Amino acid sequence: DTAVSQTPKYLVTQMGNDKSIKCEQNLGHDTMYWYKQDSKKFLKIMFSYNNKELIINETVPNRFSPKSPDKAHLNLHINSLELGDSAVYFCASSPRGGPGELFFGEGSRLTVL
Amino acid sequence: GENVEQHPSTLSVQEGDSAVIKCTYSDSASNYFPWYKQELGKRPQLIIDIRSNVGEKKDQRIAVTLNKTAKHFSLHITETQPEDSAVYFCAASILANFNKFYFGSGTKLNVKP
Repeated sequence: DTAVSQTPKYLVTQMGNDKSIKCEQNLGHDTMYWYKQDSKKFLKIMFSYNNKELIINETVPNRFSPKSPDKAHLNLHINSLELGDSAVYFCASSPRGGPGELFFGEGSRLTVL
Repeated sequence: GENVEQHPSTLSVQEGDSAVIKCTYSDSASNYFPWYKQELGKRPQLIIDIRSNVGEKKDQRIAVTLNKTAKHFSLHITETQPEDSAVYFCAASILANFNKFYFGSGTKLNVKP
């Protein structure tokens, strides 16, 4: 009964490959997010979707393409992976409006060799 | 967009001492300020939050203060314990139809036994 689940947890791949990370939430939230956490632990918002519609795209390279088939799922596809893409990617969700808490998934550690 | 600055980046205290982490934000429209704790290898989790209509909130050993005029807020942990060791993130958010969360750069707290 995990609230926000993402797969895979670990991903090791070569430069230039394409990979996807999947995220699902069973909390009934309207809004879902992707955050990138680099080696210095900085949590940077990448995308936010509200009920399948993109509402935030924080100057992320267009090699990153989020897809939300329904409001419970937000997947992240990355093309032509680069070394700098190595990070932990966190999916999160929050209810519409208040009370405001952001629920994070366990994270997906991506290593690009 | 919102810019959240957090200090210090690392903080080392003796068990039983107090710890204070400070954050500033730039967008006066921000109205919700959560604090997240991230233990090593785990997801960030909410520990306390405060809304813009409140100046202070306390939950056992943890308290948060907010100064809207100066646009800064702080986390106070009293009687620190080794299990408080973690990375702490402040965030600023605008609770509206579509919540947007912007995080500070994190503070690594080390509580020495």
